[in-house]
Amino acid sequence: DVKVTQSSRYLVKRTGEKVFLECVQDMDHENMFWYRQDPGLGLRLIYFSYDVKMKEKGDIPEGYSVSREKKERFSLILESASTNQTSMYLCASSPLDGRGINEQFFGPGTRLTVL
Amino acid sequence: EDKVVQSPLSLVVHEGDTVTLNCSYEVTNFRSLLWYKQEKKAPTFLFMLTSSGIEKKSGRLSSILDKKELFSILNITATQTGDSAIYLCAVDNQGGKLIFGQGTELSVKP
Repeated sequence: DVKVTQSSRYLVKRTGEKVFLECVQDMDHENMFWYRQDPGLGLRLIYFSYDVKMKEKGDIPEGYSVSREKKERFSLILESASTNQTSMYLCASSPLDGRGINEQFFGPGTRLTVL
Repeated sequence: EDKVVQSPLSLVVHEGDTVTLNCSYEVTNFRSLLWYKQEKKAPTFLFMLTSSGIEKKSGRLSSILDKKELFSILNITATQTGDSAIYLCAVDNQGGKLIFGQGTELSVKP
């Protein structure tokens, strides 16, 4: 059974703190994604990665960075958390695009609150 | 700019009702449209649609795509409280990522 796990379900941080959100997938997928989800705005793509050590900016990368040192792990980093980064963060993975199938498998999400 | 728009944004119905959720899109290189259901956890995959006019069906849920008019609908018949969720529509624009709509929050009352 495919599985994407995220390090925390709930997280509370203070403004200015550095925050690490971890995502691990066990499906040997090449592609991994980080989204944030806010009411009325749907899922917005922050960053994605097609391969180890490779990253691409999504639609809202400002204030975030990512790291992909191993194929199965994709980390999202908030260098200096701000209150407007309070949100639900979802990680997803998918197999290589060449098959023409782009179903993404999602983790359970991390609800981050920045005070 | 590619975009996906869902309507309505929220909907409240009673058990046994039939609902229709809408998803329209403007995408330059359309490959497929996907529907997901999200309860209090990870979105789970429902359907992938690539061809116009071919209905996909799973139990009480069904979906169809119209590539000429650029939209898809998701139907749920005989709704149950367990159908309460956010329904997400996404389009594969062949750019290696999915473009998501805002989601429709469905609430089914007993």
